[in-house]
Amino acid sequence: AQSVTQLGSHVSVSEGALVLLRCNYSSSVPPYLFWYVQYPNQGLQLLLKYTTGATLVKGINGFEAEFKKSETSFHLTKPSAHMSDAAEYFCAVSDRGAAGNKLTFGGGTRVLVKP
Amino acid sequence: KAGVTQTPRYLIKTRGQQVTLSCSPISGHRSVSWYQQTPGQGLQFLFEYFSETQRNKGNFPGRFSGRQFSNSRSEMNVSTLELGDSALYLCASSLVQGANEQFFGPGTRLTVL
Repeated sequence: AQSVTQLGSHVSVSEGALVLLRCNYSSSVPPYLFWYVQYPNQGLQLLLKYTTGATLVKGINGFEAEFKKSETSFHLTKPSAHMSDAAEYFCAVSDRGAAGNKLTFGGGTRVLVKP
Repeated sequence: KAGVTQTPRYLIKTRGQQVTLSCSPISGHRSVSWYQQTPGQGLQFLFEYFSETQRNKGNFPGRFSGRQFSNSRSEMNVSTLELGDSALYLCASSLVQGANEQFFGPGTRLTVL
């Protein structure tokens, strides 16, 4: 069964510093890859996704992620953290060729931004 | 376009009762998925409906069920509620199946006492 690992359940960064959130998936066949953000008392919002093509994917709010097949990774970065980036971030995958939209999520990483 | 709406937003039930949650997808979206979010288990897939048919099911007991109507609106039902069913239940809609973006609703917070 597909699994997703997010290293670090909590990350603390200073405003203006680099944000790096790690995500690794388990399948030998690269899945579709997603990063979602969840603000308190809200649903999930898609930041970016990788399906095919260029391995560096740019998303909303200045985030980007790079798919590395050899490392089975899809780490999320943002060069300069803003206070509004404080939220919980989820990496998710769905199987290629699967008849459906089932997402398998990582455990989430809560980001705290210090002034 | 209006986003995904879920009703009610908050719900308190007691053990043994049953509950029905509703989800209205974005207009034109035909796929609706449901997820359970808890602090201990994280986000877990419950089931997915497309064109009124269940296309996928997660690893949950039969107490959890759902359906989709011809207008793509979906409901999920949990019977014989247990304390462990307390969670945020999220609905997501997508235009079609496949690697498409899923748009999530704000969720229904269910508390079982």
